[in-house]
Amino acid sequence: KNQVEQSPQSLIILEGKNCTLQCNYTVSPFSNLRWYKQDTGRGPVSLTIMTFSENTKSNGRYTATLDADTKQSSLHITASQLSDSASYICVVSPKAAGNKLTFGGGTRVLVKP
Amino acid sequence: EAGVAQSPRYKIIEKRQSVAFWCNPISGHATLYWYQQILGQGPKLLIQFQNNGVVDDSQLPKDRFSAERLKGVDSTLKIQPAKLEDSAVYLCASSPLKGHPYEQYFGPGTRLTVT
Repeated sequence: KNQVEQSPQSLIILEGKNCTLQCNYTVSPFSNLRWYKQDTGRGPVSLTIMTFSENTKSNGRYTATLDADTKQSSLHITASQLSDSASYICVVSPKAAGNKLTFGGGTRVLVKP
Repeated sequence: EAGVAQSPRYKIIEKRQSVAFWCNPISGHATLYWYQQILGQGPKLLIQFQNNGVVDDSQLPKDRFSAERLKGVDSTLKIQPAKLEDSAVYLCASSPLKGHPYEQYFGPGTRLTVT
């Protein structure tokens, strides 16, 4: 069964600090891996999309990495801001599955002043 | 560009009652998805439409859930009768057919509470 596991489930960081979220997946082969940000009470918003041949993608203070050999991805947040408080969801799109997505359970990040 | 619209934003019903949710996708997006997101979990796909045809409804509990997308634009998702375990956020998303990988754009969701 295709799975996407994220860690930690939640974390608290101080404003201005960096943090890294982890994603392990068993989906194979896959077409692309995405990171979404979901604010409380909102729908997920795409941060990055990487194909299997890419190993890093940045979007402002967010940098995603991908190691297709170990089936791991990470999302690094630099110089965190209060507005970064949200859930971050790792999503994998299996190859030959059209645009069907397999979602992880998310990591809830709380940035404190 | 207007985003995906959903209504209502919140709904509270008693078990065994029926409820319907509405979604208006981004203009021109051929593909529409309904997801169920239980608190603390990632979204789970319920049904995927391409235009007005169903592409995937393998995880839709068809004994109580139904969905339609008449004319290939707006869509409604219905639950009848509701159970306590249906309490969740129901997300609608849409994506274009052009461009790859196809980006999915999510609406704000409808939070359903079944008491």
